[in-house]
Amino acid sequence: TQLLEQSPQFLSIQEGENLTVYCNSSSVFSSLQWYRQEPGEGPVLLVTVVTGGEVKKLKRLTFQFGDARKDSSLHITAAQPGDTGLYLCARLNLGDSGGSNYKLTFGKGTLLTVNP
Amino acid sequence: DAGITQSPRHKVTETGTPVTLRCHQTENHRYMYWYRQDPGHGLRLIHYSYGVKDTDKGEVSDGYSVSRSKTEDFLLTLESATSSQTSVYFCAISESLGRAASYNEQFFGPGTRLTVL
Repeated sequence: TQLLEQSPQFLSIQEGENLTVYCNSSSVFSSLQWYRQEPGEGPVLLVTVVTGGEVKKLKRLTFQFGDARKDSSLHITAAQPGDTGLYLCARLNLGDSGGSNYKLTFGKGTLLTVNP
Repeated sequence: DAGITQSPRHKVTETGTPVTLRCHQTENHRYMYWYRQDPGHGLRLIHYSYGVKDTDKGEVSDGYSVSRSKTEDFLLTLESATSSQTSVYFCAISESLGRAASYNEQFFGPGTRLTVL
């Protein structure tokens, strides 16, 4: 199993602050996805990054894929209480064509709390 | 929202009893997955299915079995529940995107909270 390390594990900040969370691996990703999970619900996809060095923006969220495709970061500008949740990164495992395709391996997540 | 339902949403059972969780989808997606989520461990894949009657193990499959007799339903069975299987269980679905496989998105159900006493 190729591990994904997410940091920090917990983050509590005040509304309006900026923050960055990280997702790292010792091996190259074919692609990386970021999900957000709100309490009592399942994860929801935010973005997929595929190309080394790629940067994607989703309103106040900026996602970056490392040049070597071994790491990714999520930066939130001016955090709001609605950003509170568990942020999960996941790598796509494209195995053999017999059925190992389309498995995701998740990191343990960063639990973000944005206080009003 | 993707049409995924899980039943039951909550269940309390005793050690040694069999338990079956159901995932139902209305999206006609090919792939279905069962995960468990525990504090400090994140989401871990139990089993997945890549078609009717086609299933494979994930990273934490011991003590679990699955069945998929039709596209829309994926059942997870705990033959003899143990306290270590107390967890929140999520079902997910996805569709093959061919050359766009790298962008494959998984859609998750609302989860089932299982407590084994």
